[in-house]
Amino acid sequence: GAVVSQHPSRVICKSGTSVKIECRSLDFQATTMFWYRQFPKKSLMLMATSNEGSKATYEQGVEKDKFLINHASLTLSTLTVTSAHPEDSSFYICSAPWTSGSKEQFFGPGTRLTVL
Amino acid sequence: AQSVTQPDIHITVSEGASLELRCNYSYGATPYLFWYVQSPGQGLQLLLKYFSGDTLVQGIKGFEAEFKRSQSSFNLRKPSVHWSDAAEYFCAGNSGGSNYKLTFGKGTLLTVNP
Repeated sequence: GAVVSQHPSRVICKSGTSVKIECRSLDFQATTMFWYRQFPKKSLMLMATSNEGSKATYEQGVEKDKFLINHASLTLSTLTVTSAHPEDSSFYICSAPWTSGSKEQFFGPGTRLTVL
Repeated sequence: AQSVTQPDIHITVSEGASLELRCNYSYGATPYLFWYVQSPGQGLQLLLKYFSGDTLVQGIKGFEAEFKRSQSSFNLRKPSVHWSDAAEYFCAGNSGGSNYKLTFGKGTLLTVNP
């Protein structure tokens, strides 16, 4: 199956700093990618839809200035958590549809963010 | 509103026993349905999917699921559970059309006793 990678897998940062998380489709092109947040022992919450060449679409309640998304190429989307605070600590997962018409999504391994 | 419900937060079974994880959906039309598995600290792996056609779908690792329109259900089953099946299981749905968004259930944590 298709492979989606994330980097880093784990990051610890100080409060007030910004952290960038990368999501890459390794063997296919993804015009759309999705960013999810998962709290401990909770389900996945869709944060935003990343669109190659255009602005991301954010879900209600997600601060777009806090969570900056850039979809610079057909294989790379980045999520930047700006001025991170302890409450931003979470597990962030990205996904991408196999093809532009596919409903099947492939998920990255996730990034554990801890803000001290 | 579109939703996916997993009624069981935590299920414990003995190794070798059969397993059924429940999933109910609420969509205006027949949705696309998925089951994913997540091991601790890992991403999600697709077990199986239902788009249309045969209502009994086979997946990886010996899992199967049956789509029942009359019950708005898409339950996941496995005849004999292995200790390595212990993980979190998520049911997810998509409404179809040009919408790619997945709606996830809250997940069911499976514990397997030796």
